[in-house]
Amino acid sequence: QVQLVQSGAEVRKPGASVKVSCTASGYTFTWYYIHWVRQAPGQGLEWMGIINPSGGSTSYAQKFQDRVTMTRDTSTSTVYMDLSSLTSDDTAVYYCGRDVGQGHVAANAMDVWGQGTTVTVSS
Amino acid sequence: DIQVTQSPSSLSASVGDRVTITCRASQNIRSYLNWYQQKPGKAPQLLIFGASTLQSEVPSRFSGSGSGTDFTLTISSLLREDFATYYCQQSYSAPITFGQGTKVEIK
Repeated sequence: QVQLVQSGAEVRKPGASVKVSCTASGYTFTWYYIHWVRQAPGQGLEWMGIINPSGGSTSYAQKFQDRVTMTRDTSTSTVYMDLSSLTSDDTAVYYCGRDVGQGHVAANAMDVWGQGTTVTVSS
Repeated sequence: DIQVTQSPSSLSASVGDRVTITCRASQNIRSYLNWYQQKPGKAPQLLIFGASTLQSEVPSRFSGSGSGTDFTLTISSLLREDFATYYCQQSYSAPITFGQGTKVEIK
């Protein structure tokens, strides 16, 4: 079945970086954009950015522009989200989500989600 | 950025009740509005796409309406499994933005 499986929980110290993976299966990896969304404890959903697994192009929310890098590996159907210069405000569950649009246009809605990766930033 | 404001932030309802949640966008977003359900400890689930299109396998008691700036999610007859937090999300322009959520609790 169609699914996204994320890497496990991470603990980092302030100032460090974290790299979260999201591996797709059950569909053609390069046909659907992937979004990253995070959720701080007890808070709402916050969009971080999007990657096109076909060509690797990305678009990031302005808030994260200087600290986030999204990449993909088509040989393993995996996308990665790398967040640097971590602070306690980055403590959150990070989700990847597949865009509903097929082909070269993102519809900017997410129909399949990973299980979430908890990132804890603490000294 | 386009702001999306949900109301209410929480509500208490009983099984069988009709529930309505509203979402207002800060500018005209046509029909580029989506609704998600999230249960504790789980990822969000897409319910409605494009303001009114029910996602595959989502029960027909869920419906969405609206266009422009004002949108509504309706649950026609609440089941116990529907107690959750609901989010609207605009997909009109980047950055994608979500409402703050509406928590539906058991009365």
